[in-house]
Amino acid sequence: SQQGEEDPQALSIQEGENATMNCSYKTSINNLQWYRQNSGRGLVHLILIRSNEREKHSGRLRVTLDTSKKSSSLLITASRAADTASYFCATVLKTSYDKVIFGPGTSLSVIP
Amino acid sequence: DAGVIQSPRHEVTEMGQEVTLRCKPISGHDYLFWYRQTMMRGLELLIYFNNNVPIDDSGMPEDRFSAKMPNASFSTLKIQPSEPRDSAVYFCASSLGGGQNYGYTFGSGTRLTVV
Repeated sequence: SQQGEEDPQALSIQEGENATMNCSYKTSINNLQWYRQNSGRGLVHLILIRSNEREKHSGRLRVTLDTSKKSSSLLITASRAADTASYFCATVLKTSYDKVIFGPGTSLSVIP
Repeated sequence: DAGVIQSPRHEVTEMGQEVTLRCKPISGHDYLFWYRQTMMRGLELLIYFNNNVPIDDSGMPEDRFSAKMPNASFSTLKIQPSEPRDSAVYFCASSLGGGQNYGYTFGSGTRLTVV
């Protein structure tokens, strides 16, 4: 089974609305990362949050981490059509800190 | 920096043929990863290198797959012989210090179709 799983699998919202994606994982982590993948392109790293951090911001992105619940959320505020992409949660385990394990992703559609 | 460079972008080959995918990581990055992406299985880590040395190849599906990193600026992933089920997008990524401090930088991928 997957180390990290995103929820929902797919999300469709109107431009200007906020989008929230969740990630749950099973094993203790060193850090958790979020990536974006536009159709037909490679993944782009968005943000990294360490296990001792609870919240992190980057522009319109807000990431939270709750290690007691083994979960994270990615909030995109004031979404734009250009935010349409797949978003992946990725974990770096404490026991294997040099590799990143990706979840199945959330497909976000932002309708203009 | 031009980023992680992969070639070719697309490859169509017949079953049984040898396929070689190429990757040039970002200069100065000490880790290189090969991933495979399919709709059914998502992103799978195949193998990764640290300072040109293979560290973990447990994700390589079969002996038909092999990977090399002869120097810090070049890596190959070879499939011999290729099969239709190998059809996927193959990504190369590089990073500084593995995943513990920085994220990965991905290439644009190679879309492989085996007919």
